[in-house]
Amino acid sequence: GAGVSQSPSNKVTEKGKDVELRCDPISGHTALYWYRQSLGQGLEFLIYFQGNSAPDKSGLPSDRFSAERTGGSVSTLTIQRTQQEDSAVYLCASSRGTTNEKLFFGSGTQLSVL
Amino acid sequence: GESVGLHLPTLSVQEGDNSIINCAYSNSASDYFIWYKQESGKGPQFIIDIRSNMDKRQGQRVTVLLNKTVKHLSLQIAATQPGDSAVYFCAENRYTGFQKLVFGTGTRLLVSP
Repeated sequence: GAGVSQSPSNKVTEKGKDVELRCDPISGHTALYWYRQSLGQGLEFLIYFQGNSAPDKSGLPSDRFSAERTGGSVSTLTIQRTQQEDSAVYLCASSRGTTNEKLFFGSGTQLSVL
Repeated sequence: GESVGLHLPTLSVQEGDNSIINCAYSNSASDYFIWYKQESGKGPQFIIDIRSNMDKRQGQRVTVLLNKTVKHLSLQIAATQPGDSAVYFCAENRYTGFQKLVFGTGTRLLVSP
């Protein structure tokens, strides 16, 4: 079956502009995660969605970052007034449940802020 | 603090050798661990996982060892192949109401033919 799909694969934007990144999780997966990966670094947790519950936003680095998940499926990560330090790969993952379940990752969106 | 670290940033091996990638974790309450492989331009790909009630688990050409006493995790790859060249991440699950995976910075494995 199809894996986690992210779009766009690459995004170049100017400092101060807003960007939207999209994630289509695996069908039937109730949990959805966003991670950020800076060059040569590990993965930094951003936000988590589980079903219809309120998302856990504890990893969002500032109030310029927000995310939503419509209909329990597709998710959009929005970064407002982008800064150069926002440049990174943004990875989305989904899993079947909440406890000790492997995460399946998309290929990510490479964001470059000029 | 919260950290999952790796002992070596880069590991170079010859094709056919066995590779061992090490990982230290800091939270003794973590109950689930995963190894991921990430090739250039791709997202992390699941390799193998282990729960804290086990100390060893084997997959196809890979073995994960967990030593809870010293909070150490290792990934062993048998008969390493050029296609194994990638960055390998260990991740530790700290269940705080949901599955929150904390990742290390990764080890780059370079396999020479």
